[in-house]
This record gives sequence, structure tokens and C-alpha cells, in this order.
Amino acid sequence: QVQLVQSGSDLKKPGASVKVSCKASGYTFTDYALSWVRQAPGQGLEWMGWINTNTGNPTYAQGFTGRFVFSLDTSVSSAYLQISSLRAEDTAVYYCARGRTWFDPWGQGTLVTVSS
Amino acid sequence: QSALTQPASVSGSPGQSITISCTGTSSDVGDYNYVSWYQQHPGKAPKLIIFDVSKRPSGVSNRFSGSTSGNTASLTISGLQADDEADYYCSSYTRSTTWVFGGGTKLTVL
Repeated sequence: QVQLVQSGSDLKKPGASVKVSCKASGYTFTDYALSWVRQAPGQGLEWMGWINTNTGNPTYAQGFTGRFVFSLDTSVSSAYLQISSLRAEDTAVYYCARGRTWFDPWGQGTLVTVSS
Repeated sequence: QSALTQPASVSGSPGQSITISCTGTSSDVGDYNYVSWYQQHPGKAPKLIIFDVSKRPSGVSNRFSGSTSGNTASLTISGLQADDEADYYCSSYTRSTTWVFGGGTKLTVL
């Protein structure tokens, strides 16, 4: 079945970097775009952007430029979200989701906690 | 891009119908048929229940239906069941070639 499996929870100190992985299975990885969505604790969903899995070209939402980088490794059907210079307000669950006109399915989410 | 506006909470009794609104602008909901809805149970990932305003993915109950009128999209759940208790989010494509979510609505089944 189509599924996205993300890397496990991570605890980082302020200023550090984190890389979240999202491995796809059950479909041809390059047939669909891959989107990223953030959900801060107790808050709603926030669209971060998407990456073209054919060209590797990323599109970032406002507020997610500079410290956020989307990348791919199509040889292992995986997408990555790297966040640098982490701040406490980056603490959130980060989801990958297939598609860019609608999002289906979603990965199980990766909790990134930023704390000293 | 501002979030779409949803009511913070709605409630209904088992068997009843409820509607959740999602208000945007002429630059998103009112201009594109790319509205989708997601159901999220506590501690779980969101699940797609409606796409392209009113289409249901395979496996989603026909108790869920979607529509739009002007700048407002709506999700209707008929025959409420206990398992429908969850958070619901709308999403729309925008003229800025980006996507925006609503703030979410907590559905309580009384």
C-alpha cells in the first residue's frame, strides 16, 4: 500500500540542525510531488512548501525560507527536510505528505523538540 | 497568506448532521476548485477526506460531503458517529501559487 514513513523524534539544542527523512513506498516516487507541513504543539497545520520529485526544485512558503531546505534522494525514494539554526519556536511535529493539490497520504509525523 | 477561517468548535449528537465552514477570499477558496479537507484524530496524522471541493477518496464514507459557495467552503458530516470526533482542517490553493490551511475545527460528538 502507499505509505510514507518518517524518521523518529529528535531533541536538539538551540542553534543546532536537524534532518527529517520521509521514505515513500507503494508507488513511483517521481510521479507525485512531496509536500511538508508543520504542526506546532496544540496548533493547526501550516503548509511549508513542496518539492518537485522529478526536478528536485523546491518551493517554500513565506516564513520557511532561509533556514529550511527540502531535498531528495530518488535512488531510495526519500525526501528530506533540513532545518538549521534551530530555535525553540521550531518545536513542532513535521509531516511529509504526497501531492501538492491535495495531500494524501501523510507520513506519521516527526516530533522535533528544540530545548537547551 | 492568512489562514482560512474555520469555527473553533462544533458539536452534534450521534445520527445528526453538522457542517463546518471554511472562509477564504477571492484569491483562494473563491477562485479555485482546489479545496480539500482533512480529519485528524488526537496524536495521529491528518487523513484526506475531501479533495477538489467535493470528491471523496476511495474508502472514505459517503457521510462526508463538501461544497463551496463564493469564498466559503463547507464540509458536511451526516449520520454523526462517535469516531467522527476529531479535528478537521480545510485547505485551499491560492493565487500566490501556495497552499493555505484553515485554523482547524474541533468536532465533539455529544
